[in-house]
Amino acid sequence: ELKVEQNPLFLSMQEGKNYTIYCNYSTTSDRLYWYRQDPGKSLESLFVLLSNGAVKQEGRLMASLDTKARLSTLHITAAVHDLSATYFCAVDETYSGYALNFGKGTSLLVTP
Amino acid sequence: SQTIHQWPATLVQPVGSPLSLECTVEGTSNPNLYWYRQAAGRGLQLLFYSVGIGQISSEVPQNLSASRPQDRQFILSSKKLLLSDSGFYLCAWRSRPQDGELFFGEGSRLTVL
Repeated sequence: ELKVEQNPLFLSMQEGKNYTIYCNYSTTSDRLYWYRQDPGKSLESLFVLLSNGAVKQEGRLMASLDTKARLSTLHITAAVHDLSATYFCAVDETYSGYALNFGKGTSLLVTP
Repeated sequence: SQTIHQWPATLVQPVGSPLSLECTVEGTSNPNLYWYRQAAGRGLQLLFYSVGIGQISSEVPQNLSASRPQDRQFILSSKKLLLSDSGFYLCAWRSRPQDGELFFGEGSRLTVL
């Protein structure tokens, strides 16, 4: 059974601080996806990592993928309140019509 | 450009009543389509997926069903709702399984009383 584990599940951090969210998965997938969900809203795609060593950055967020370790990280630099949301990582579920299998999500709260 | 629409956005239904949620994708053809459910404060659970018209696969046994009457239309139904059916239902599509991400609709929030 494919497992996708995120940690931490809850994160409260001060503005201006740095932090990393971790995503471990149990398959040999070489692709990983990060999504953001604001309260009461749908999921928005943040990053698509398509190969080992892939690194993508958008503003204060940077995602990386290590397929050998089956690990992806989402690094937050100098957090601001607007980054408060729930972040999900996901991997391909090849036996389910290429659906995505999601982690439980990391709820991030950035406080002044 | 491709778009995906879901409706209704919000509904409150009594236990035992029927349900129909609709999802339509525009700007693409022959997409893979998916229904996910997100219970309050929890992760996403894949309910159904479809790789073509009339082709439906169920991931979780339950009192819900899905249909794909047209290439870009995906419908989630129930004949009799249960309290446990409450949640946030998300439709999603994917056009290139090899390297594309899933794109989600706006979601339908169902409360069963």
